[in-house]
Amino acid sequence: GAGVSQSPSNKVTEKGKDVELRCDPISGHTALYWYRQSLGQGLEFLIYFQGNSAPDKSGLPSDRFSAERTGGSVSTLTIQRTQQEDSAVYLCASRPVAGNYGYTFGSGTRLTVV
Amino acid sequence: GENVEQHPSTLSVQEGDSAVIKCTYSDSASNYFPWYKQELGKGPQLIIDIRSNVGEKKDQRIAVTLNKTAKHFSLHITETQPEDSAVYFCAASKGNAGNMLTFGGGTRLMVKP
Repeated sequence: GAGVSQSPSNKVTEKGKDVELRCDPISGHTALYWYRQSLGQGLEFLIYFQGNSAPDKSGLPSDRFSAERTGGSVSTLTIQRTQQEDSAVYLCASRPVAGNYGYTFGSGTRLTVV
Repeated sequence: GENVEQHPSTLSVQEGDSAVIKCTYSDSASNYFPWYKQELGKGPQLIIDIRSNVGEKKDQRIAVTLNKTAKHFSLHITETQPEDSAVYFCAASKGNAGNMLTFGGGTRLMVKP
């Protein structure tokens, strides 16, 4: 596609439920990143995928968070047993592997845990 | 690791005035510095970037300057318009295989008509 696509755009879930957030990066972009943005705050790094390499999970806040990337393209971020503090906008970004370039971000998924 | 600090956190200017946002970084190996604009309800969008082999770059009303010695870079917006109102983020990276961007905390720019 022309840009990074994220779905759903909005998600309201009950505390304790699991949620899955999807990211479809720009075709050919082998690097994919997940960030979290709490209301009015900056960008918190969560996880990074680069080709077939093991992902960099150093930003995941707890073991309730996991992500996978199938076939080097679509990625899914899963949050298990959601808590109210998980409420935030989850942003996905992708980048071409070659060269030193900025990311292209999706529009994000706004997650609200009630 | 890299640490990027951004100031001010909020900035209010009158339409037509200039706005300047400043960032400092800690890792002297950083060599790529993009700026992002985030409008309400949208993801951040790359608006301009600069690499360490140049000191200044312009694109119409926006410009970025880089001082490698002092490890700071700035975004300058001239003749501000209400549509410039947004949150702006600076970032830095070393351009290695990971090319992980480290972001500043953001500046909320408000342009008053």
